[in-house]
Amino acid sequence: GAGVSQSPSNKVTEKGKDVELRCDPISGHTALYWYRQSLGQGLEFLIYFQGNSAPDKSGLPSDRFSAERTGGSVSTLTIQRTQQEDSAVYLCASSLYRQGAGGELFFGEGSRLTVL
Amino acid sequence: AQSVTQLGSHVSVSEGALVLLRCNYSSSVPPYLFWYVQYPNQGLQLLLKYTSAATLVKGINGFEAEFKKSETSFHLTKPSAHMSDAAEYFCAVSEGGTASKLTFGTGTRLQVTL
Repeated sequence: GAGVSQSPSNKVTEKGKDVELRCDPISGHTALYWYRQSLGQGLEFLIYFQGNSAPDKSGLPSDRFSAERTGGSVSTLTIQRTQQEDSAVYLCASSLYRQGAGGELFFGEGSRLTVL
Repeated sequence: AQSVTQLGSHVSVSEGALVLLRCNYSSSVPPYLFWYVQYPNQGLQLLLKYTSAATLVKGINGFEAEFKKSETSFHLTKPSAHMSDAAEYFCAVSEGGTASKLTFGTGTRLQVTL
């Protein structure tokens, strides 16, 4: 389809292992966002990419979290040395970068991470 | 800094009854406001948005919301609930412009009973 695609949809890992989550945004969308959804916590902003500008990393909870976006399209969120509190659904979204878009985001279905 | 407060983490209504989900915002600039819905095991999808045009905004599935600057509110309503409306609803605010990150509320889970 033409929506935001995320993989894997489910990931179970052991504490201390590294994980990578992938996001493929809608074609032509230059803005890409990562959010984390924990039970009862709502959506927590993690990081935002816009074109070739420096990403807004203000939401990353620790230096174990990093993300990159290659070629202005696909993004990978990496969590190193996972902890149990990292268990959550990681949502990716993309949007058009244009005046008046005002942040209308299109979301993927998320990657559910479980750290044992 | 922008923020959103959703009053009530759980709301239960009978089928056919009025749905009212509350959202209050804080923003240092005129905000853009959004309601998103998340059905079970699905991603979020946009219900409606306010971007400084008409203060009463109509969205999909019969939902609407009214921007009230004096009350800093953007409550979501639907005159008659349907079983298919059961989902989690998120209010969000952005500072608008070309693109900017959304700040979400903690969500309200809507239950619809027979």
